Amino acid sequence: GENVEQHPSTLSVQEGDSAVIKCTYSDSASNYFPWYKQELGKGPQLIIDIRSNVGEKKDQRIAVTLNKTAKHFSLHITETQPEDSAVYFCAASPGGYQKVTFGTGTKLQVIP
Amino acid sequence: GAVVSQHPSRVICKSGTSVKIECRSLDFQATTMFWYRQFPKKSLMLMATSNEGSKATYEQGVEKDKFLINHASLTLSTLTVTSAHPEDSSFYICSALTGELPEAFFGQGTRLTVV
Repeated sequence: GENVEQHPSTLSVQEGDSAVIKCTYSDSASNYFPWYKQELGKGPQLIIDIRSNVGEKKDQRIAVTLNKTAKHFSLHITETQPEDSAVYFCAASPGGYQKVTFGTGTKLQVIP
Repeated sequence: GAVVSQHPSRVICKSGTSVKIECRSLDFQATTMFWYRQFPKKSLMLMATSNEGSKATYEQGVEKDKFLINHASLTLSTLTVTSAHPEDSSFYICSALTGELPEAFFGQGTRLTVV
């Protein structure tokens, strides 16, 4: 089955700096890679996703890159704000109605 | 984005009783829903895949007789924790697939505490 590894497990940045979270996956059949933000006591919220037919996608301060050859993908958050503080999960899926496998999570703390 | 509503958000029950958690897709039809369990500071562990009108598919190690899943309509799936014990205390989260695959949207989660 799919195995998704995520690093780092914790990340502290100063407000305004950039944050980068990296993930690797094992199953070459995976072609859909969502990123979720989870605040304390709440369910995960989809913030951005990327499909295997593109290498990069950007949405305002958030961007995701994908390297299918190396089987890794990354989340980039620029101009971080305190409200970006949360746990972020990467995930991978073969798509369709198949299950999503989550990474281990990164706790991001943005220091004002 | 699509809205998935989970109820209740918190529940406390006594050992030996059963608890039902509901997961509703509010503005779309979901033929497939997923149930996850999350321990403190840990990732989401898939428990089962719920398909409308058919039996749920459970992940290895998940007791299907203990965690009963019913997906009776295109907008509702329920998870019943039967004969709950303190070790069943956890954060349970559902997600649903929209018609525009493969995006999945999550409910707000249910904090179950068994005393």
